[in-house]
Amino acid sequence: ELKVEQNPLFLSMQEGKNYTIYCNYSTTSDRLYWYRQDPGKSLESLFVLLSNGAVKQEGRLMASLDTKARLSTLHITAAVHDLSATYFCAVGYYGGSQGNLIFGKGTKLSVKP
Amino acid sequence: KAGVTQTPRYLIKTRGQQVTLSCSPISGHRSVSWYQQTPGQGLQFLFEYFSETQRNKGNFPGRFSGRQFSNSRSEMNVSTLELGDSALYLCASSLDHNSPLHFGNGTRLTVT
Repeated sequence: ELKVEQNPLFLSMQEGKNYTIYCNYSTTSDRLYWYRQDPGKSLESLFVLLSNGAVKQEGRLMASLDTKARLSTLHITAAVHDLSATYFCAVGYYGGSQGNLIFGKGTKLSVKP
Repeated sequence: KAGVTQTPRYLIKTRGQQVTLSCSPISGHRSVSWYQQTPGQGLQFLFEYFSETQRNKGNFPGRFSGRQFSNSRSEMNVSTLELGDSALYLCASSLDHNSPLHFGNGTRLTVT
């Protein structure tokens, strides 16, 4: 059974600081996604990671994937208030269908001035 | 390009009733998935449809069902509603196996 664990679940940061969110998964997978959700809103796709060593960057966010360790990280550089949201990682079963993802519990990020 | 559209946005029902939620995927997307989001359980996969066929089903009771039409639009139905069915129901569509899921704004169901 595929399980996905995110930590931390809550993260309070000061503006300008760096931090990393971790996503561990329990069995082989062929794809991993990061999503952002603002309060009362739907999920917005941030990154798609498909292979070992994949690294994607967008603005102050950088995501990476280590399939051997079954670990993905979402690194936040010089946080700003606009990054406050809940971040989810989602993992697909290896060879599984495209719509069936297992989500982590989410990391609620709060960036304070 | 229009995004994933879900209707209605909000629903209030009483225990024992049934409800139907609707989802229109992004044009050209043939895979439609449904997820339930609650504060306690997080995001849980309900089912996935592709070309009118259910391809996968999550660990939910038979009261939860769905279907997909030839134009890829999908509906999900929950019968004999229970208080615990109160949740945000999200529909997502995707283009292919490696593409991300694109989520709609969801239907917030409250069961009283």
